[in-house]
Amino acid sequence: QVHLQESGPGLVKPSETLSLTCTVSGGSISSYYWSWIRQPAGKGLEWIGRIYTSGSTNYNPSLKSRVTMSVDTSKNQFSLKLSSVTAADTAVYYCASVPRIVGANGYFDYWGQGTLVTVSS
Amino acid sequence: QSVLTQPPSASGTPGQRVTISCSGSSSNIGSNYVYWYQQPPGTAPKLLIYRNNQRPSGVPDRFSGSKSGTSASLAISGLRSEDEADYYCAAWDDSLSAVVFGGGTKLTVL
Repeated sequence: QVHLQESGPGLVKPSETLSLTCTVSGGSISSYYWSWIRQPAGKGLEWIGRIYTSGSTNYNPSLKSRVTMSVDTSKNQFSLKLSSVTAADTAVYYCASVPRIVGANGYFDYWGQGTLVTVSS
Repeated sequence: QSVLTQPPSASGTPGQRVTISCSGSSSNIGSNYVYWYQQPPGTAPKLLIYRNNQRPSGVPDRFSGSKSGTSASLAISGLRSEDEADYYCAAWDDSLSAVVFGGGTKLTVL
């Protein structure tokens, strides 16, 4: 069973860059695609984007100009960077796995526990 | 305003059957698979239904999904107290080139 764990600073200052890492255990990082999803307190889920182990990415158009994802297969980790953050980026950030099958868009079978990132000075 | 539309709340008594709707358009539900997620309070979402109507291993057959045109539904039969959670639908949107979620439905077991 795949286990995902997010890590990174819980507090980021406005205008700075949010950086999170997701560590994958219990399976090979090459066996899946990987996504980031966020959820502001009391609100719904928002897809941030996905990355393939080849390095190819797809980002939510609403965040595309500020998002960078990367993967480190040697460490079984993938990462998220979100630049120029504001209070509106305060949310619980989840990493999730996506099966490598046709039509798996929206298919998140394993999730991390989530990490709260607060944007505040 | 979410791309997929869900009722904000639903409720039922133990043993009842409840349904949660998810309305979209031709660019998302109308042309792609629908997924459903269950999120109990304070926890991460969990995959409940994939590819419109398939249940992952371990999900009880009390949960079922369906899709027709640009709408989808999640049905929960034999309602139990532990089903109290937020439920989200999701699909790929061809126009946005993004995964879109419904706004979520809070299910209360009375």
